[in-house]
Amino acid sequence: NAGVTQTPKFQVLKTGQSMTLQCAQDMNHEYMSWYRQDPGMGLRLIHYSVGAGITDQGEVPNGYNVSRSTTEDFPLRLLSAAPSQTSVYFCASSRDSKTQYFGPGTRLLVL
Amino acid sequence: KNQVEQSPQSLIILEGKNCTLQCNYTVSPFSNLRWYKQDTGRGPVSLTIMTFSENTKSNGRYTATLDADTKQSSLHITASQLSDSASYICVVSEQWAAGNKLTFGGGTRVLVKP
Repeated sequence: NAGVTQTPKFQVLKTGQSMTLQCAQDMNHEYMSWYRQDPGMGLRLIHYSVGAGITDQGEVPNGYNVSRSTTEDFPLRLLSAAPSQTSVYFCASSRDSKTQYFGPGTRLLVL
Repeated sequence: KNQVEQSPQSLIILEGKNCTLQCNYTVSPFSNLRWYKQDTGRGPVSLTIMTFSENTKSNGRYTATLDADTKQSSLHITASQLSDSASYICVVSEQWAAGNKLTFGGGTRVLVKP
């Protein structure tokens, strides 16, 4: 199993641009989540999904959209990038919302 | 507001020595507490997970303890190795109807020196 994969690894955007961060898992997990990690702060939940077709907002959802059309994929869309969205983004999946498996992260810089 | 506080923020230890990291939380209702290890530039990796009824759990040289009454947990690293240099994150889970809601601590950055 590849586990949780994320693409791209690095991305630089200009303010106002849009982009999609990709996340995929091959473990047939129902639960998937997106987090952002900023220096000196704990990971904060952006959006999560408890199964295909079901998504909900986390702690910091503004400026981000998600969809879950398949069990495997959970893309995160930035609608209009802002410098405040400069961060490291982690996708995670779990079978039963207990032990989570994290992807390697995407480092995003918004200029 | 649910919070998870970790201490110290960072520490430096010599290879072969032991160390203990602390985690205090206010999350309620409590479901479980997890410790993760995050190497630089990588995603977190689970070390232990403990439910309300578990006082201690080990994973190799890592031993986690939980006192649900005082809402405190510790992670003890025995005979540290250079590869233990990482951030250690305490995560407390709150039971929701739709699953668990996680609150992450800010992490303790450990540097092991030879």
